[in-house]
Amino acid sequence: GDSVTQMEGPVTLSEEAFLTINCTYTATGYPSLFWYVQYPGEGLQLLLKATKADDKGSNKGFEATYRKETTSFHLEKGSVQVSDSAVYFCALRYNFNKFYFGSGTKLNVKP
Amino acid sequence: KAGVTQTPRYLIKTRGQQVTLSCSPISGHRSVSWYQQTPGQGLQFLFEYFSETQRNKGNFPGRFSGRQFSNSRSEMNVSTLELGDSALYLCASSLEDYNSPLHFGNGTRLTVT
Repeated sequence: GDSVTQMEGPVTLSEEAFLTINCTYTATGYPSLFWYVQYPGEGLQLLLKATKADDKGSNKGFEATYRKETTSFHLEKGSVQVSDSAVYFCALRYNFNKFYFGSGTKLNVKP
Repeated sequence: KAGVTQTPRYLIKTRGQQVTLSCSPISGHRSVSWYQQTPGQGLQFLFEYFSETQRNKGNFPGRFSGRQFSNSRSEMNVSTLELGDSALYLCASSLEDYNSPLHFGNGTRLTVT
């Protein structure tokens, strides 16, 4: 069935380090892909999205490219800040009204 | 445009009681979904409503129920509360557009003692 797999956390980085959080998906067809971020005590916020193959979503220095050939949507940021510490979720929308979420990856950024 | 609003933000209940949580979606969004989030189980889908009809349902016992009103506002109810129901309950709304994301509220933190 349809699913999303993302790398286990927590991921601990020093400020200004490069970030990659891996996300791969299983879906028949052409899902839309999303990254969400959740700060402590809050709901999930949409970080970026991509709706077709080779699309690159970007926001607040974060980027992810929809790779259909590898069924991946890895999240990257060139230089993380302490304020980026949060939990990140990869998600896909498929079959019009079904959403699938990864298990979340906690990011800790140390000063 | 106002975001998704959930009330109350915090609730403390005793085992065996029941609870009702409320969600107001973004204006124009007719689909409302509910999720349970716990540290151990992550984000679990409860159900989704569209035009007052339950369209999708997750794998939760019948103690968990919901409904949607004609103005798209939604409520979820949990009866006979158990300690394991302690969680953050998230509501999300979306457009009927294949490319549209879910928009989440800040959740209701339910603690069952």
